[in-house]
Amino acid sequence: NAGVMQNPRHLVRRRGQEARLRCSPMKGHSHVYWYRQLPEEGLKFMVYLQKENIIDESGMPKERFSAEFPKEGPSILRIQQVVRGDSAAYFCASKDGRQRNSPLHFGNGTRLTVT
Amino acid sequence: DQQVKQNSPSLSVQEGRISILNCDYTNSMFDYFLWYKKYPAEGPTFLISISSIKDKNEDGRFTVFLNKSAKHLSLHIVPSQPGDSAVYFCAASALETSGSRLTFGEGTQLTVNP
Repeated sequence: NAGVMQNPRHLVRRRGQEARLRCSPMKGHSHVYWYRQLPEEGLKFMVYLQKENIIDESGMPKERFSAEFPKEGPSILRIQQVVRGDSAAYFCASKDGRQRNSPLHFGNGTRLTVT
Repeated sequence: DQQVKQNSPSLSVQEGRISILNCDYTNSMFDYFLWYKKYPAEGPTFLISISSIKDKNEDGRFTVFLNKSAKHLSLHIVPSQPGDSAVYFCAASALETSGSRLTFGEGTQLTVNP
């Protein structure tokens, strides 16, 4: 897990505030994925990005959620006007896009708590 | 629509014995399968994978078996060690999905007793 860096590890927000979660992929990885794990559930796909492009956002809620992976800097998952139901662990993963069958490497996650 | 299912939420085995974790899938387009291990407060760690052209892949104490006709795969850990106690997730991807994103099962909590 050490290669994919996520921060912050823990984030507490009050209802209505914004949450920004950051992810730096492993060195040399150009593909970034965000997953969410709700309590007692598995990981659910949210969005897949490459540099400056959103490739697949089919798992993202239609409102309040957005993601980016700029040319420079980390990938950002942004949640506006957070609600209690957004409380979850958010995991970022990256992979080497040159190989189709290669595993995703995950960070240690950001645990978001909405009070 | 749960395309990857792990029907056993928990499994308890004795140290030194074999642990067998099971996973079923419904999407016949899945062609690459992986197992991840997850400790509390950490991210999932890749363990072992198998592509659909094989029916077995082995790496040390870990072996993954794939039965395509039954849409079933399993992870065997032998011998089991207390440090193997964690949540194990099965995951799958299909060539036609963009970026080959992974679909995960709900996980199985493995406890290895000393």
